[in-house]
Amino acid sequence: AQKITQTQPGMFVQEKEAVTLDCTYDTSDQSYGLFWYKQPSSGEMIFLIYQGSYDEQNATEGRYSLNFQKARKSANLVISASQLGDSAMYFCAMREGYGAAGNKLTFGGGTRVLVKP
Amino acid sequence: NAGVTQTPKFRVLKTGQSMTLLCAQDMNHEYMYWYRQDPGMGLRLIHYSVGEGTTAKGEVPDGYNVSRLKKQNFLLGLESAAPSQTSVYFCASSYRAAGGPLDTQYFGPGTRLTVL
Repeated sequence: AQKITQTQPGMFVQEKEAVTLDCTYDTSDQSYGLFWYKQPSSGEMIFLIYQGSYDEQNATEGRYSLNFQKARKSANLVISASQLGDSAMYFCAMREGYGAAGNKLTFGGGTRVLVKP
Repeated sequence: NAGVTQTPKFRVLKTGQSMTLLCAQDMNHEYMYWYRQDPGMGLRLIHYSVGEGTTAKGEVPDGYNVSRLKKQNFLLGLESAAPSQTSVYFCASSYRAAGGPLDTQYFGPGTRLTVL
């Protein structure tokens, strides 16, 4: 079974509007972390936001917020007030275990976002 | 701080040739990782290291070897390259954290490898 599922392969969004990128995960661990990364066309991986499994509040970082629904095992990324520079591939990732286990990440297949002017 | 750097940025190999990719980080991170990204897909973990002198297999280790002789460097080797290893290779590093935002992995710019 897929550990991280991103069901939207591509999305268009109008500039200045908000967009929600879906991410569902599968784990039996009680302690885990969820990450979102942005990959622009230049190819680098840029860390956006982190949510811990024990965090009671949804994470926010500027225009990025994470809608964390633990019971549904979903961790959707919300980008508010989209900008042209937000056009990129977005990846959801999960860390299971930590410490000696190496903080390994499992990535979803990604969602491509194109912001229209 | 340079962060995570990778050498080379691009490389073309013929089937059967060998090469080594170098990753260096200046953030004093304990953990380092090698991933591959195939077209239109997410990253998959090849090997990782939780400290100097230690390495472990990830999800797709076959055909690759790694070494971590110095804390700041993590080398990925291909002994006999195959066309299936055509991919973009990313190195990443992170702190040795106890399950929190410091777990965040920081990535290098990637190496685009083509095997003919």
